Amino acid sequence: DADVTQTPRNRITKTGKRIMLECSQTKGHDRMYWYRQDPGLGLRLIYYSFDVKDINKGEISDGYSVSRQAQAKFSLSLESAIPNQTALYFCATSDSGEHTGELFFGEGSRLTVL
Amino acid sequence: GENVEQHPSTLSVQEGDSAVIKCTYSDSASNYFPWYKQELGKRPQLIIDIRSNVGEKKDQRIAVTLNKTAKHFSLHITETQPEDSAVYFCAASDSSYKLIFGSGTRLLVRP
Repeated sequence: DADVTQTPRNRITKTGKRIMLECSQTKGHDRMYWYRQDPGLGLRLIYYSFDVKDINKGEISDGYSVSRQAQAKFSLSLESAIPNQTALYFCATSDSGEHTGELFFGEGSRLTVL
Repeated sequence: GENVEQHPSTLSVQEGDSAVIKCTYSDSASNYFPWYKQELGKRPQLIIDIRSNVGEKKDQRIAVTLNKTAKHFSLHITETQPEDSAVYFCAASDSSYKLIFGSGTRLLVRP
């Protein structure tokens, strides 16, 4: 089945370390997103990309950067991790065609910054 | 930018009763309003969506209503079942399909 895959699924790191979360998809979608989930705060958009040459900031982009290496790959980097970046991170994709709008989420990457 | 507020944050109902979750949005340009369900430990999944050219949409026990004048939309679940227990998120976006989510409602259906 076509899917959205995130790696790593769990990561514990220390303050100041550089972290990369990777996302790949086999859905053939052109749009990819990174969201962060915190208890009581819902899903907040970090960055999004509508094609390989398109990168856009979301609601909470400070402290994060992204790279769209190919249509199927979208990675999120924390250059110098801090404890308040401890969260569950979701990658998502969507299609620009007939079913525009529906997001398909990966299984999530739980990041803990000590 | 868009801001979406969702209420209540938690909701407990008896099995068989109805549940209603409400959201308000701020950007009058928003025209797409989906609802996602996230079961414990799982990824969010779309359950129903509505676009601004309609006021109501139903899918079996689930319905969504939209009032563009008041900038609010609601999720209605009838005849609730234990498997409806989950966290529900509303969201809104304009034609860019940059979805902004509400803070979520944890629904508990008591057997």
